[in-house]
Amino acid sequence: ILNVEQSPQSLHVQEGDSTNFTCSFPSSNFYALHWYRWETAKSPEALFVMTLNGDEKKKGRISATLNTKEGYSYLYIKGSQPEDSATYLCACFQGAQKLVFGQGTRLTINP
Amino acid sequence: NAGVTQTPKFRVLKTGQSMTLLCAQDMNHEYMYWYRQDPGMGLRLIHYSVGEGTTAKGEVPDGYNVSRLKKQNFLLGLESAAPSQTSVYFCASTYGTKLNEQFFGPGTRLTVL
Repeated sequence: ILNVEQSPQSLHVQEGDSTNFTCSFPSSNFYALHWYRWETAKSPEALFVMTLNGDEKKKGRISATLNTKEGYSYLYIKGSQPEDSATYLCACFQGAQKLVFGQGTRLTINP
Repeated sequence: NAGVTQTPKFRVLKTGQSMTLLCAQDMNHEYMYWYRQDPGMGLRLIHYSVGEGTTAKGEVPDGYNVSRLKKQNFLLGLESAAPSQTSVYFCASTYGTKLNEQFFGPGTRLTVL
């Protein structure tokens, strides 16, 4: 089972500030990396699916980058809003069929 | 479309009892997954299926069995529940390649006393 690490485990940010967090994964045999947003009492929802080294994806104020050679991905949130409060999960494909999830970064936006 | 649904939403079992969790999807997805979510552990894969009639073990399969008799349904069974199986169980489905996001059900909260 490959090891997917996320840091930090939790983060408190003031409303309006920008923030970022990290997902680290083994760089060998890389297939794809997924980012999911998981609000309390709801189900995880996909943000991005990334496969190519140097890939950058953006959805509104949220963006992500991917470095497959060194084995990391960054998720950025610009101008944080209270509705951004959630746990952000990254996951890597092990083989061709199954995702391995990190433990998540719990983000809290303070008004 | 209902997406991914799970039945039941909540359940309390006594040690040794059995039960089946049902996952259903109406998106014609090939791949389906069962995860458990425990505090500090993230999502861990129990079993998965790459198509009707096929199943495979994930990271934490012990104490669980699964069946995929119909493409739209994926059943998770606990034959003899243990307190260590107290968890929130999520089902997910996807079209089946690494490029496709997984769609998650609402979860089943199971407590084993």
